[in-house]
Amino acid sequence: SQQGEEDPQALSIQEGENATMNCSYKTSINNLQWYRQNSGRGLVHLILIRSNEREKHSGRLRVTLDTSKKSSSLLITASRAADTASYFCATEGRTSYGKLTFGQGTILTVHP
Amino acid sequence: AAGVIQSPRHLIKEKRETATLKCYPIPRHDTVYWYQQGPGQDPQFLISFYEKMQSDKGSIPDRFSAQQFSDYHSELNMSSLELGDSALYFCASRFRQGNTEAFFGQGTRLTVV
Repeated sequence: SQQGEEDPQALSIQEGENATMNCSYKTSINNLQWYRQNSGRGLVHLILIRSNEREKHSGRLRVTLDTSKKSSSLLITASRAADTASYFCATEGRTSYGKLTFGQGTILTVHP
Repeated sequence: AAGVIQSPRHLIKEKRETATLKCYPIPRHDTVYWYQQGPGQDPQFLISFYEKMQSDKGSIPDRFSAQQFSDYHSELNMSSLELGDSALYFCASRFRQGNTEAFFGQGTRLTVV
């Protein structure tokens, strides 16, 4: 089974709205990373949050981490059509030698 | 800044043929990872190397092998290709220490016909 489960699987919003994606995981982690993927293309690193951090910001992105609930959320504020992509969370387990375990991804569609 | 370079970007092979994918990590990164992403799927870990030694192995078929060379580039060799091997193959690199991000290449899209 997947380490990360993402919710929702698909999200459709209008430009200017906020988009929130959630990720749950099962084991203890060193960090959790969010990636973006445009259709069939490369994985672009968005943000990393370490297990001792609770919130991080980067531009229009806000990530939270709740290690007690083993969950994270990615908030994209003031969305743009160009934000349309798949978003994956990936966890680095404490004993995984840095390998990442990906969630199933959220497909975000932002309508102009 | 230099990124992870993968070649080729696209590859078409017939069943039972062999394919070799190449990865050039970000300079000074000591760890390389290979992932496979099937259509509509999330990336799945295949194998990793730390300082040119295999460090971890995931769901990599026995038909696949990989190595990392003295210049830190890595190659994924895939033999007896099957239709189900059609996927995006990603390489990523990072510093193993320091709880840092992994950077991914653009991927190689392999199509087996």
